[in-house]
Amino acid sequence: GENVEQHPSTLSVQEGDSAVIKCTYSDSASNYFPWYKQELGKRPQLIIDIRSNVGEKKDQRIAVTLNKTAKHFSLHITETQPEDSAVYFCAARDFNQAGTALIFGKGTTLSVSS
Amino acid sequence: GAVVSQHPSRVICKSGTSVKIECRSLDFQATTMFWYRQFPKQSLMLMATSNEGSKATYEQGVEKDKFLINHASLTLSTLTVTSAHPEDSSFYICSASGYTAFFGQGTRLTVV
Repeated sequence: GENVEQHPSTLSVQEGDSAVIKCTYSDSASNYFPWYKQELGKRPQLIIDIRSNVGEKKDQRIAVTLNKTAKHFSLHITETQPEDSAVYFCAARDFNQAGTALIFGKGTTLSVSS
Repeated sequence: GAVVSQHPSRVICKSGTSVKIECRSLDFQATTMFWYRQFPKQSLMLMATSNEGSKATYEQGVEKDKFLINHASLTLSTLTVTSAHPEDSSFYICSASGYTAFFGQGTRLTVV
């Protein structure tokens, strides 16, 4: 089955700096890669996703890049703000298989200090 | 996005009792729902896949007799933690899939 590795486990940046979180996946059939933000005690919220037919996607300060050959994808947050502090999870699944679950990385705790 | 409602949000139960958690998709029909467990400061670990009208599929290491899953309709899946013990204390969260996963609010279970 799919295995998703995520690094780093913790990341501390100064407000205004950029943050990058990287994930690798094992199953070449996976073609959908979302990123979730989870605040303490709350449900994960989708912040951005990418499908394998594109290499990059951007939404304001957040971008995701995908290298399908190398089986890795990354989340980039620019101009970080204290409210970006949370746990971020990457995930992967085969979009074409309706009954397959998202498999999550172990998460990255991002701390943005002002 | 789609709305998934999970109830209760918090529950405290005595060791040995059973607890039922409900997961409802409010605005779409979900033939498949997923149950995850999350321990403090850890990731979401898939427990089982709940299939409407058929048996759930459990991940390796998850006891199917302990974590009973019922998906009797296209909008409701339930997870019952039977004979709960303190080690079952965790954050349980369901999701229903469209193109991506939409999560319920989660249930904080504390077994005392």
